[in-house]
Amino acid sequence: SQQGEEDPQALSIQEGENATMNCSYKTSINNLQWYRQNSGRGLVHLILIRSNEREKHSGRLRVTLDTSKKSSSLLITASRAADTASYFCATLGRGSSNTGKLIFGQGTTLQVKP
Amino acid sequence: GAVVSQHPSRVICKSGTSVKIECRSLDFQATTMFWYRQFPKQSLMLMATSNEGSKATYEQGVEKDKFLINHASLTLSTLTVTSAHPEDSSFYICSARDPGTPLPASGDTQYFGPGTRLTVL
Repeated sequence: SQQGEEDPQALSIQEGENATMNCSYKTSINNLQWYRQNSGRGLVHLILIRSNEREKHSGRLRVTLDTSKKSSSLLITASRAADTASYFCATLGRGSSNTGKLIFGQGTTLQVKP
Repeated sequence: GAVVSQHPSRVICKSGTSVKIECRSLDFQATTMFWYRQFPKQSLMLMATSNEGSKATYEQGVEKDKFLINHASLTLSTLTVTSAHPEDSSFYICSARDPGTPLPASGDTQYFGPGTRLTVL
């Protein structure tokens, strides 16, 4: 079952602008991950944030996690046309550490115009 | 990073035939692999968890007799769509966990295959 809700569903920005995507979830988590998917391709792991972390950076990516609100955000700074893709959050439930079972959000489609 | 491959990348078949999709971990051994399906412009839906040497665990609503999963080795899991129908047309993606690091870290990251586009006519 899908538990994640992401907003916006679609986002269109100009190159150089920042893009922010949000994800909400319903159950207690071990960690939350963000993935990227180019059209018709597999998923690429971007960044993971654990439940006891509040913020994490990786290059132009910044992820925040608010477990009290059960939400996370992904910020892509200084966007490039090559960032055009769909972005998904995925949660590893607190009871799923042994199975590794991820639950994916609905995704945000990002278009970066050159 | 770890690489997961899928074969074939695309398949077109007639209604009523069976189609086998392979998922391989190329540079690590995966005791657990996952199978997802994804409809156009939608998210990934977990179908089943494939465990090496044991029966797969199917998600609610997924017919195990329709979607046969075999995980016969630590580097290969197969998904067979039996008696395929047009409504089975979808993008099927597998992923694998690398157990090389101790729990819970090994549950943290999955490596995804490039996906298989199935079209049933």
